[in-house]
Amino acid sequence: EVQLVESGGGLVQPGGSLRLSCAASGFTFSDHYMDWVRQAPGKGLEWVGRTRNKANSYTTEYAASVKGRFTISRDDSKNSLYLQMNSLKTEDTAVYYCARERDYYDSSGYHWYFDLWGRGTLVTVSS
Amino acid sequence: QSALTQPRSVSGSPGQSVTISCTGTNSDVGHYNFVSWYQRHPGKAPKLMIYEVSKRPSGVPDRFSGSKSGNTASLTISGLQAEDEADYYCCSKVGLYSWVFGEGTKVTVL
Repeated sequence: EVQLVESGGGLVQPGGSLRLSCAASGFTFSDHYMDWVRQAPGKGLEWVGRTRNKANSYTTEYAASVKGRFTISRDDSKNSLYLQMNSLKTEDTAVYYCARERDYYDSSGYHWYFDLWGRGTLVTVSS
Repeated sequence: QSALTQPRSVSGSPGQSVTISCTGTNSDVGHYNFVSWYQRHPGKAPKLMIYEVSKRPSGVPDRFSGSKSGNTASLTISGLQAEDEADYYCCSKVGLYSWVFGEGTKVTVL
């Protein structure tokens, strides 16, 4: 079955750290860009960042709200995506989703969208 | 980057049509044809319903359609069914490498 399953969420104090994981199955994980998206309580979805694939040097980009605090990595041998979150703030409280990003060019032009998501894992930052 | 503006909720009776708007700016919705829509049922993973403004992935019923005019994209559900009751989010590319999402719209089937 093609799926993404997040894990690692929980309660953490402000200033603390947490590492989320996303296990992929049913597709060739190493071929794809992978992203993290979050949803704070009562708010909409917010893009957190992405890691590209090996062919694109595993480069990463981040939203301004998390840049310098969060790090996205991947282990293609384990079909896994990670989000290391440091210096956590109360406003980082959210459900965190991993998502597969399609970013490619073909005869009809460029294509960008998310075509597969996980169910999410809840991170609560509170004292 | 401000979130895209969506109505908090829309509702309709079975068989009716509902349309969800998604308003952005000249830097996102108005600039790119990379607008997508996602459906999320409670506790489930979001599901891609429309990509690149109006394209429908395989397996998505043709009662779902998308369009765009200027800075506003729209998702229309024709022939509303009970299983369409869910939250819907729009999304647009912004800048070279980023994405911006909408605040979400709850669709209620009366």
